[in-house]
Amino acid sequence: GAGVSQSPSNKVTEKGKDVELRCDPISGHTALYWYRQRLGQGLEFLIYFQGNSAPDKSGLPSDRFSAERTGESVSTLTIQRTQQEDSAVYLCASSLGPGEKLFFGSGTQLSVL
Amino acid sequence: AQSVTQPDIHITVSEGASLELRCNYSYGATPYLFWYVQSPGQGLQLLLKYFSGDTLVQGIKGFEAEFKRSQSSFNLRKPSVHWSDAAEYFCALLGTGGGNKLTFGTGTQLKVEL
Repeated sequence: GAGVSQSPSNKVTEKGKDVELRCDPISGHTALYWYRQRLGQGLEFLIYFQGNSAPDKSGLPSDRFSAERTGESVSTLTIQRTQQEDSAVYLCASSLGPGEKLFFGSGTQLSVL
Repeated sequence: AQSVTQPDIHITVSEGASLELRCNYSYGATPYLFWYVQSPGQGLQLLLKYFSGDTLVQGIKGFEAEFKRSQSSFNLRKPSVHWSDAAEYFCALLGTGGGNKLTFGTGTQLKVEL
């Protein structure tokens, strides 16, 4: 596609439910990043994929968070048993490779009630 | 609609020279504003942020930014650039109304000549 696409753009869920966030990177981009930004805070790195492997999972805040990537294509970020503190904007970015220019999606606004 | 514009795609400066990276925004009220840096192979790092109060904001690594409401700008500055500052810099806007939408500029690639 022309840019990084994320869906849904907004998600409201109840505490304790599972949610799945999707990211479609730019075609040909091997590197894919997930970030989140909670209200009033800076961007928080979650996970990085190179192809379909994730050499850096250090940013995942708990074992309720997991992410997968199919080949060099779509990635899903899953949050199980959501908590109110998970409410944030979840941002995906992709690049041709590590250190190359990043292109960002418009984010998924997650609200956990 | 909110938007962020970084008019300079690439900037090259000599080590020790001063630096200013431009950021202009469009938003109906006073937004929250951020500058991030992405070094090769690393995640984004927050340099500084503006929420309210003093319009001159100090950040890490010797960076500062000034919020100018009249110009809808939030330019990043550093008096003396170091070779390790070579990276890509992103300006970002967080809407303060409902929705909490985070919008990034397209980034400015900084090259530092020794």
